[in-house]
Amino acid sequence: DQQVKQNSPSLSVQEGRISILNCDYTNSMFDYFLWYKKYPAEGPTFLISISSIKDKNEDGRFTVFLNKSAKHLSLHIVPSQPGDSAVYFCAASGGSYNTDKLIFGTGTRLQVFP
Amino acid sequence: NAGVTQTPKFQVLKTGQSMTLQCAQDMNHNSMYWYRQDPGMGLRLIYYSASEGTTDKGEVPNGYNVSRLNKREFSLRLESAAPSQTSVYFCASSERTGATWGYTFGSGTRLTVV
Repeated sequence: DQQVKQNSPSLSVQEGRISILNCDYTNSMFDYFLWYKKYPAEGPTFLISISSIKDKNEDGRFTVFLNKSAKHLSLHIVPSQPGDSAVYFCAASGGSYNTDKLIFGTGTRLQVFP
Repeated sequence: NAGVTQTPKFQVLKTGQSMTLQCAQDMNHNSMYWYRQDPGMGLRLIYYSASEGTTDKGEVPNGYNVSRLNKREFSLRLESAAPSQTSVYFCASSERTGATWGYTFGSGTRLTVV
């Protein structure tokens, strides 16, 4: 039972354009959401997070949007750069789980081409 | 500032052999985790430790054991390796000290069981 889903395994975007990565979740008790970025042969690194009391959080070129009624979050990268090419994982925590446990999606591979 | 250190980085085992993956963090975090990453499966939690002296099973604990040796170190042991345990293993740590928190991951151990 995949509680956090990233339905697009890959995304290709031209440099300078917007990248939109999507994530859906099924557990309405999740109250904190994160995005991680992973380069090959490295561990995932924290990118941005959002609490369920907000619907938007911005950090430079990265913005995360949360739609609680749709159980959907998205990561916008504007403008996209070649260095953004990586695998992006969304994650969620809260509810009936140990609140420090993160449930990860399957990842979306973003490729930014010149 | 090392963060989370995992050893070894690469390992090849024969079916039935045993080994221990080591993880240490220098951030004084209470919580530590072991995840495995497989193609199309995302990051799946094997075991976690909410604090020194405690460990709990995650989503995929079968075939593994863990030891929280002290606050810094959390090891993962494969008693009798199987080809299905071929994967990339990530250790992580966390500490919820504010509204924004997340895991810090190590760089991973790539394990092949033949």
